[in-house]
Amino acid sequence: DAKTTQPPSMDCAEGRAANLPCNHSTISGNEYVYWYRQIHSQGPQYIIHGLKNNETNEMASLIITEDRKSSTLILPHATLRDTAVYYCIVRGRPFGDSSYKLIFGSGTRLLVRP
Amino acid sequence: NAGVTQTPKFQVLKTGQSMTLQCAQDMNHEYMSWYRQDPGMGLRLIHYSVGAGITDQGEVPNGYNVSRSTTEDFPLRLLSAAPSQTSVYFCASRYRENTGELFFGEGSRLTVL
Repeated sequence: DAKTTQPPSMDCAEGRAANLPCNHSTISGNEYVYWYRQIHSQGPQYIIHGLKNNETNEMASLIITEDRKSSTLILPHATLRDTAVYYCIVRGRPFGDSSYKLIFGSGTRLLVRP
Repeated sequence: NAGVTQTPKFQVLKTGQSMTLQCAQDMNHEYMSWYRQDPGMGLRLIHYSVGAGITDQGEVPNGYNVSRSTTEDFPLRLLSAAPSQTSVYFCASRYRENTGELFFGEGSRLTVL
């Protein structure tokens, strides 16, 4: 399974873009990159995922490098409610029935400052 | 549509006691899973299921049992609780074809004395 490396903590000012990096240098060609976040002690919340192309939704943008060895999650206008732990996950190996599991690492704790 | 529902939200056990954490989802998801989260750490996969009657082990399965008799329910059983099982437990589900999001419950906080 490809492993991910994230900085343990980051901060940004409210209203500014938050750029959260993730290194996944051992990723395989068919493995997706997923981002989740966990606000305080709530259950994790899905943000976005991608394979090769950059992706954007109402929450964030995901930029994946051409060699797919790293990616960046961008929160374009961070708010105080975006303070959370952000997890970058590479989908694990498939099993015979083509089901996959997600292995969570330690994540990046993002603090959005007023 | 309630999503993923976990019960109980809080539980205190004595060492050696057994209990079951309940998880139910009303989204007709084939895939369900259990994670545990210890203080300051990420989530670790305990067990998962890809459909009724099918279960498999995750990263940290020892001390836990699961079964999947229906699509909706995926209970997690602690046969003989140990202090090392003090943790927050999350249940999650999704459609079988994993090209989308995993839906999480709100968690069950378990303390083993």
